[in-house]
Amino acid sequence: NAGVTQTPKFQVLKTGQSMTLQCAQDMNHNSMYWYRQDPGMGLRLIYYSASEGTTDKGEVPNGYNVSRLNKREFSLRLESAAPSQTSVYFCASSDLRNQPQHFGDGTRLSIL
Amino acid sequence: DQQVKQNSPSLSVQEGRISILNCDYTNSMFDYFLWYKKYPAEGPTFLISISSIKDKNEDGRFTVFLNKSAKHLSLHIVPSQPGDSAVYFCAAMSDYKLSFGAGTTVTVRA
Repeated sequence: NAGVTQTPKFQVLKTGQSMTLQCAQDMNHNSMYWYRQDPGMGLRLIYYSASEGTTDKGEVPNGYNVSRLNKREFSLRLESAAPSQTSVYFCASSDLRNQPQHFGDGTRLSIL
Repeated sequence: DQQVKQNSPSLSVQEGRISILNCDYTNSMFDYFLWYKKYPAEGPTFLISISSIKDKNEDGRFTVFLNKSAKHLSLHIVPSQPGDSAVYFCAAMSDYKLSFGAGTTVTVRA
């Protein structure tokens, strides 16, 4: 009963390094999402994929790229990490429009 | 510009009493509203939702009220239990995308 699985759980990077965050869901959901959460703020949408083969920008896409590898997997890439990207990253998935999104437990990313 | 606002960062309530959490939104295109609960070091967990065509939805101890004219929704938890201590996020959906409030930390006192 895994739901949404994110790897890694923790990561420390140096400024300028690249990194890919992985996300996989086993609920056969069509839509997948990447959010970031910063202290004192709600989750903010980075990118989303409404269905396999499509991706769209969310509220804060700058500095990130995504790949919807297949229906199960949606990865988030930081090409050149910056300290402002220090955050907790959450992946989510949902079945249909106007259905709850189900979240993974997050990746805690620190960039020095 | 934050489209979903939770103006109370924290709420302390005695066990057995009612917890009322409030949320305001500005975007009239939102058509689906949700509440999530979050424990430390875990992802948000879906709690309850309401469609914009309804004004109330109830699930056990949790009730969500929607006032579209005021662009306001609230979550009632009755009775509050120690396990309800967590951060609660209000969220609103438009065209697949969720916008979140900053969260309210609820502490249930014994």
